[in-house]
Amino acid sequence: DTGVSQNPRHKITKRGQNVTFRCDPISEHNRLYWYRQTLGQGPEFLTYFQNEAQLEKSRLLSDRFSAERPKGSFSTLEIQRTEQGDSAMYLCASRNEGEWAFFGQGTRLTVV
Amino acid sequence: KQEVTQIPAALSVPEGENLVLNCSFTDSAIYNLQWFRQDPGKGLTSLLLIQSSQREQTSGRLNASLDKSSGRSTLYIAASQPGDSATYLCAVRPHQAGTALIFGKGTTLSVSS
Repeated sequence: DTGVSQNPRHKITKRGQNVTFRCDPISEHNRLYWYRQTLGQGPEFLTYFQNEAQLEKSRLLSDRFSAERPKGSFSTLEIQRTEQGDSAMYLCASRNEGEWAFFGQGTRLTVV
Repeated sequence: KQEVTQIPAALSVPEGENLVLNCSFTDSAIYNLQWFRQDPGKGLTSLLLIQSSQREQTSGRLNASLDKSSGRSTLYIAASQPGDSATYLCAVRPHQAGTALIFGKGTTLSVSS
């Protein structure tokens, strides 16, 4: 296991379409986080899972966003009816209690 | 509400120079603080993690310090190299298990040869 893996790396979609991103965390990590990063800003928290339970959601996560982590392994982040303001880098991170957070390479979403 | 500020926003130095990046946070009740490196268009690479009970951590040419009471951390880079050019992000984890990191906007470093 070489680290946190995110797919796809890049996604261009038309406004109004739905998109889904996948994150495969480091296998023994029980905590998984999704962040969003826009140009010139630091990452902002979206949602957090401990095993399969979604324990926290940011107010940034509108009704058009949904995340799942079935069986406490990989996670998916879906955006419905995409808007141009959704264009950003979507980052996934995983860790265990008290340990470093490890980030994936991110998925860059462009909504045209 | 916890806020993280990084100064300066950008820094240009000649190769070989020692430099300090600053990070400040408004609420001293943190669980830990982590420094990351981000190359353009890429994800984040973890550099150093300092637990709230620690004062500093070192890895190679990098040294990070933490003064929790004053709400400050510094990242010291010794003998800078062009390969150090990147954006450096500071993030704090509030004093609750499981909570997410709160990031600053980063310092973009450019090291010229």
